[in-house]
Amino acid sequence: QKEVEQNSGPLSVPEGAIASLNCTYSDRGSQSFFWYRQYSGKSPELIMSIYSNGDKEDGRFTAQLNKASQYVSLLIRDSQPSDSATYLCAVQEYGNKLVFGAGTILRVKS
Amino acid sequence: DAMVIQNPRYQVTQFGKPVTLSCSQTLNHNVMYWYQQKSSQAPKLLFHYYDKDFNNEADTPDNFQSRRPNTSFCFLDIRSPGLGDAAMYLCATSRSPGASFGEQYFGPGTRLTVT
Repeated sequence: QKEVEQNSGPLSVPEGAIASLNCTYSDRGSQSFFWYRQYSGKSPELIMSIYSNGDKEDGRFTAQLNKASQYVSLLIRDSQPSDSATYLCAVQEYGNKLVFGAGTILRVKS
Repeated sequence: DAMVIQNPRYQVTQFGKPVTLSCSQTLNHNVMYWYQQKSSQAPKLLFHYYDKDFNNEADTPDNFQSRRPNTSFCFLDIRSPGLGDAAMYLCATSRSPGASFGEQYFGPGTRLTVT
């Protein structure tokens, strides 16, 4: 069973700070990586996808991928209280499926 | 707006009483997924359809069945719910082959309670 590991948190950051969320995965052959945000009691929402080593920026979000270290991260700049949620890292398996991590709880304090 | 719709949003059923959850989509995506998510856990894939091709996960209990009568609709049937089946059930869709499979669009979920 391929695994995706995340620190469960909670990660607490002050409003305006950078939140850094990390994820490691076990399958060295994985090629596609995703970050989903899930508010309490709601369903996951895709916020970032990354397929190549390096950084990918989208607004206040930056995804970072290092395939050699089997490591993917999500940076949230200028964190807002509305960013408080669980962030799920997901890795695409061979075929049509995703393997999700259990998520990191982020709390942004105003 | 194109979307994924799940009904009902909340479902209460009795132990052992069959229940059906539904999912519909207006995205015209080829692939539809059913996940089970319990509190503070990762979504767990139960099965998925690629068009009409059904793919069951090895560890999905026989108690769980699914139907996809057409592109837009997919159903999850729980034949004899147990207390351990209480969870959020999530339907998701994605487009055709390649990395797009990871770009999944989720419905709002159905919260199932078993009494």
